[in-house]
Amino acid sequence: EAGVAQSPRYKIIEKRQSVAFWCNPISGHATLYWYQQILGQGPKLLIQFQNNGVVDDSQLPKDRFSAERLKGVDSTLKIQPAKLEDSAVYLCASSLDRATPYEQYFGPGTRLTVT
Amino acid sequence: GESVGLHLPTLSVQEGDNSIINCAYSNSASDYFIWYKQESGKGPQFIIDIRSNMDKRQGQRVTVLLNKTVKHLSLQIAATQPGDSAVYFCAAPRDYGQNFVFGPGTRLSVLP
Repeated sequence: EAGVAQSPRYKIIEKRQSVAFWCNPISGHATLYWYQQILGQGPKLLIQFQNNGVVDDSQLPKDRFSAERLKGVDSTLKIQPAKLEDSAVYLCASSLDRATPYEQYFGPGTRLTVT
Repeated sequence: GESVGLHLPTLSVQEGDNSIINCAYSNSASDYFIWYKQESGKGPQFIIDIRSNMDKRQGQRVTVLLNKTVKHLSLQIAATQPGDSAVYFCAAPRDYGQNFVFGPGTRLSVLP
């Protein structure tokens, strides 16, 4: 079974630029999560999708971050404009259903560096 | 809201020794806890979980202990191997929704 795919793996941008990350979850997984992991910290949930609908985006900085999962499969997370403090690893995870958040499978992450 | 913390940010053990990684949580109503392992350049990987109606759960070379009185849980790794070198996170349910709060992690280094 293929795992969660993410791209790119690394990205370096200057502050105030825009960036987008892509995630393809495990086939058949209805729930998709985006996390931000700052160096030395645990992952922090940014947004959770159930199919193509948002379940939880309470910790998403909506003034600069946006995410979509239009067809209920792959997803894109965008930052516009980026700030220095956005430097982090952005992890995507998926689970079969929102009822099983403890059975999340994580992708390798995208390491973002904002200079 | 729920907060999760670890007692030590780093831990070094000799290969073959047992490792103990600790975690504290704040919400006494938390009913489920998970331990994750994160190797360098990879996403977190599920290791073991435990429900609040249990005090102990064993897996392959790993044991999780839960002390609800002091809101503390620990992950014990028996006969630690070089492949166990990673950052270990505990996670507990958030106060709302169905998601989890991760602790800051403990970096385990296995010495030859």
